[in-house]
Amino acid sequence: AQTVTQSQPEMSVQEAETVTLSCTYDTSESDYYLFWYKQPPSRQMILVIRQEAYKQQNATENRFSVNFQKAAKSFSLKISDSQLGDAAMYFCAYKNRDDKIIFGKGTRLHILP
Amino acid sequence: DSGVTQTPKHLITATGQRVTLRCSPRSGDLSVYWYQQSLDQGLQFLIHYYNGEERAKGNILERFSAQQFPDLHSELNLSSLELGDSALYFCASSEAPGLAGYNEQFFGPGTRLTVL
Repeated sequence: AQTVTQSQPEMSVQEAETVTLSCTYDTSESDYYLFWYKQPPSRQMILVIRQEAYKQQNATENRFSVNFQKAAKSFSLKISDSQLGDAAMYFCAYKNRDDKIIFGKGTRLHILP
Repeated sequence: DSGVTQTPKHLITATGQRVTLRCSPRSGDLSVYWYQQSLDQGLQFLIHYYNGEERAKGNILERFSAQQFPDLHSELNLSSLELGDSALYFCASSEAPGLAGYNEQFFGPGTRLTVL
């Protein structure tokens, strides 16, 4: 069975600095998607970035980028120039061809002014 | 605003009762997903419907059932409620299932269920 592990329950970063959130997953499949979702205090789930497993190039969305290491089954999220609005719970998620979606337990990110 | 609507926003009920949560997907989206977010279990995938048919099941209890109607709205029915069913229930929608097409899931604001 597939699993998603986020080993950092909480992290803190100084405003304007860079932070990296870790995610590892376990699967025997070759085709899948990986996602990072943000959940601010409003509880709304917001897609931050996604990565197709067949693409070697790391996805980037403005200040958010991923380091996708398929062989190592690692999918970390880097947030550059951290802003106060980035404070939230971040979930790593895995989705396969059969539409099974598995979320990690989340990492709570604090931004220090 | 994601375009996905969920009603009601809050629901308080007693153990043993039955409730129905409703979700309307974004215009044009054929897939609807249901998730449960509780403090101890995290975010769990429950079930996925595509164009009226069940496509994938996750950790959904037998006391729970769902359906998607011809107008593509979906309902999640929770019966014989227990204290442990208290959670935030999210609905999400996307254009297409599987790995084809644009896969982003748009989440609704959630329904907060409290079982007393």
